[in-house]
Amino acid sequence: GESVGLHLPTLSVQEGDNSIINCAYSNSASDYFIWYKQESGKGPQFIIDIRSNMDKRQGQRVTVLLNKTVKHLSLQIAATQPGDSAVYFCAENRKSYIPTFGRGTSLIVHP
Amino acid sequence: DAGITQSPRHKVTETGTPVTLRCHQTENHRYMYWYRQDPGHGLRLIHYSYGVKDTDKGEVSDGYSVSRSKTEDFLLTLESATSSQTSVYFCAISEATSGGGKNIQYFGAGTRLSVL
Repeated sequence: GESVGLHLPTLSVQEGDNSIINCAYSNSASDYFIWYKQESGKGPQFIIDIRSNMDKRQGQRVTVLLNKTVKHLSLQIAATQPGDSAVYFCAENRKSYIPTFGRGTSLIVHP
Repeated sequence: DAGITQSPRHKVTETGTPVTLRCHQTENHRYMYWYRQDPGHGLRLIHYSYGVKDTDKGEVSDGYSVSRSKTEDFLLTLESATSSQTSVYFCAISEATSGGGKNIQYFGAGTRLSVL
């Protein structure tokens, strides 16, 4: 069947470069945000989260930045590796148990 | 996959036949969800459950029903499958915290369904 990565915005980078994946969210009342990674043929996996009272949060090789003024979220991946090739989704939560997912960005890492 | 098992992993069926997909969790999480994923549409919520026998509709619930008789099992049924229901189906679970806040979802490996 078709890959979920088709029809999505695509970011192509060279191995070792830093990657920045962007997400615009819709509701200014959203107070909790998550980034997921989905590899081909697998379910989405949690990468990192951030609450609305923070602007930045760092994990291992990943950093999430939140700009509430323009309702923008970004995921930075340092020293991108071929294993980082996947579709990346952001999700926003508004004090509910039903997140809203973005459509995703396909990241392709060239060796 | 965080103690989540989806079965079957692949299913080919004919239009008009009933199909049931199963999601089983070993995490004792309260919330369970069924999504479908299609190229160009991302993840779309079909139904979700917030407890045993407590379920509600998502944005694309037409043609689907669900049941949750035990904490660990969440079943998705297509009463009469149509070609438009060809998709990849994902189950997710969440512990969630009261009043919203953190809501990390953990996903199963997916079921690829083809309706011919």
